[in-house]
Amino acid sequence: AQSVTQLGSHVSVSEGALVLLRCNYSSSVPPYLFWYVQYPNQGLQLLLKYTSAATLVKGINGFEAEFKKSETSFHLTKPSAHMSDAAEYFCAVSANTGNQFYFGTGTSLTVIP
Amino acid sequence: GAVVSQHPSRVICKSGTSVKIECRSLDFQATTMFWYRQFPKQSLMLMATSNEGSKATYEQGVEKDKFLINHASLTLSTLTVTSAHPEDSSFYICSALPPGGGSYSNQPQHFGDGTRLSIL
Repeated sequence: AQSVTQLGSHVSVSEGALVLLRCNYSSSVPPYLFWYVQYPNQGLQLLLKYTSAATLVKGINGFEAEFKKSETSFHLTKPSAHMSDAAEYFCAVSANTGNQFYFGTGTSLTVIP
Repeated sequence: GAVVSQHPSRVICKSGTSVKIECRSLDFQATTMFWYRQFPKQSLMLMATSNEGSKATYEQGVEKDKFLINHASLTLSTLTVTSAHPEDSSFYICSALPPGGGSYSNQPQHFGDGTRLSIL
């Protein structure tokens, strides 16, 4: 079985500051991990994915995430927050890309000017 | 451009009405599509897995007679909320799974933009 836990339902950062959104996973098999972003009343847009290749994954819009097996974590970071980064972010896990996705409860990111 | 198209984007209707939501895969043939439900400020919950040419697989607690899923072609899956009531109001999102190999190799599901359903 797979599950993810996102610590912090709301995160606020100043514009230009580091963004850190936390995700811990649980999986009985080697996991595939994903981060998605959702803007109001829209679907999900894939930011990045980990599929057992490099542990440091770079995604779109300057985001990256590092897979740490020892910590069962896949935290999302961005060095400098932009106003346009304000959105809902979801971490998800699956046994492989074709299987069901299990989403975390989401983290709402607010960027303060 | 959009890989998965979901229609309508928003629907408001009276209690007791049946509502059909379409999910189309525009760029590839999808033998598998997924339907999710999202309550305000909450995460996506998988409702069912839709397989072309066969019956959908529903998650525990999802009423299959309430939420009818039809995946009659490789590019279209529909979700019909039958006799909808206010508690069915939610944001419904579909996703399509690309075929393995080729340009879509190792790609995850592609999501539609969702349908906001409001039952009065």
